[in-house]
Amino acid sequence: DVVLTQSPLSLPVTLGQPASISCRSSQSLVYSNGDTYFCWFHQRPGQSPRRLIYEVSKRDSGVPDRFSGSGSGTDFTLKISRVEAEDIGVYYCMQHTHWPHTFGQGTKLEIK
Amino acid sequence: EVQLVESGGGLVQPGGSLRLSCAASGFSFSAYWMNWVRQAPGKGLEWVASINPHGNEKYYVDSVRGRFTISRDNANNSLYLEMHSLSAEDTAVHFCTTGGNYWGQGTLVTLSS
Repeated sequence: DVVLTQSPLSLPVTLGQPASISCRSSQSLVYSNGDTYFCWFHQRPGQSPRRLIYEVSKRDSGVPDRFSGSGSGTDFTLKISRVEAEDIGVYYCMQHTHWPHTFGQGTKLEIK
Repeated sequence: EVQLVESGGGLVQPGGSLRLSCAASGFSFSAYWMNWVRQAPGKGLEWVASINPHGNEKYYVDSVRGRFTISRDNANNSLYLEMHSLSAEDTAVHFCTTGGNYWGQGTLVTLSS
């Protein structure tokens, strides 16, 4: 199975400051068609997850442009240019290139 | 408006069975792969199972294969998860999702003797 390793697992950030989360995969996430099926989710306490980024760097509709995704192969990053209060919660990376689909352990973002 | 509404969760004894349902509306259900994802209390997300739009291709995480069965009824816009031989490790909120932007609110399955 593909193992996704996120870092850090805890991310205290000051409002207005940038934040970055890394996700490393145990194997390449490039599918046979050349696409990379890797995404980022955000989950606020008591809520269902919400996808922010799909196929590495494509922002979902309604997602603020302060969120950006990058990376390739086995190494991926989610960046928040300026953290806002509503960004608190847990961020998960996920791959659906290989079966079984797998999630990272989650990174908890909190405001300092 | 897109809605995914799970039901069927509850308290069950170890070794017991449960059938979860998910009622979909507001999108072309029959065109989507559908998934179950679960979250144990205080833990992260775990993908459980997926089914293709026609219902003839199914995948499971190793820990549930042989015990859980995912199925769908496109005529009624419904997704199901049949769960057998349940154990404490299956205690979790189970989400119905397209895997993208459509998620239900989840239904809680609790194992307790």
